[in-house]
Amino acid sequence: AQTVTQSQPEMSVQEAETVTLSCTYDTSESDYYLFWYKQPPSRQMILVIRQEAYKQQNATENRFSVNFQKAAKSFSLKISDSQLGDAAMYFCAYRRVLWTGNQFYFGTGTSLTVIP
Amino acid sequence: GAVVSQHPSRVICKSGTSVKIECRSLDFQATTMFWYRQFPKQSLMLMATSNEGSKATYEQGVEKDKFLINHASLTLSTLTVTSAHPEDSSFYICSASSGGDYYEQYFGPGTRLTVT
Repeated sequence: AQTVTQSQPEMSVQEAETVTLSCTYDTSESDYYLFWYKQPPSRQMILVIRQEAYKQQNATENRFSVNFQKAAKSFSLKISDSQLGDAAMYFCAYRRVLWTGNQFYFGTGTSLTVIP
Repeated sequence: GAVVSQHPSRVICKSGTSVKIECRSLDFQATTMFWYRQFPKQSLMLMATSNEGSKATYEQGVEKDKFLINHASLTLSTLTVTSAHPEDSSFYICSASSGGDYYEQYFGPGTRLTVT
């Protein structure tokens, strides 16, 4: 199975500041998808942003953007203008393409605290 | 986005009994459903992948005779924990995919299983 590593178990950020969460992955496949999910205390997984491996352009979604470095197998998430509602557990996920199984593999998560 | 429900949200059962958890896609047809297990403050661990009308594919280390998965229709998958033991206590999350352009997975809200 593919492995996804999140080296920061916990992070904190001041409200309105910017924070970057890191994620690296290991794969021999050339085609895949990467995702960041947010899991608030309700435990409901919420999609934050996704990136197709074949696209060189980094994905952005409002205050959320990624830095995708395919050669380095790195996929970091930047949260700008942090808000109190951003506090949650963040999981980086790797998804195989459909014809190879379509499975998701998740990192160990980063707990983000937003300080008012 | 698409909605996935899980029932029950919480269940307590006695050791040795079996418990069934339902996962339903409410507004789309789910060709593939996934079952995850999440321990406290840990990541999601993929247990199995099920395609409608066929046998589930289990991840290495997951006992298929203990965790029975049935995907009888395009909107319903069930996970039955047979002869439950206290070590089976966990948070179980399902997700569903319609195989659309992004092969997006939509997550259910999870089921908290406690085995006494």
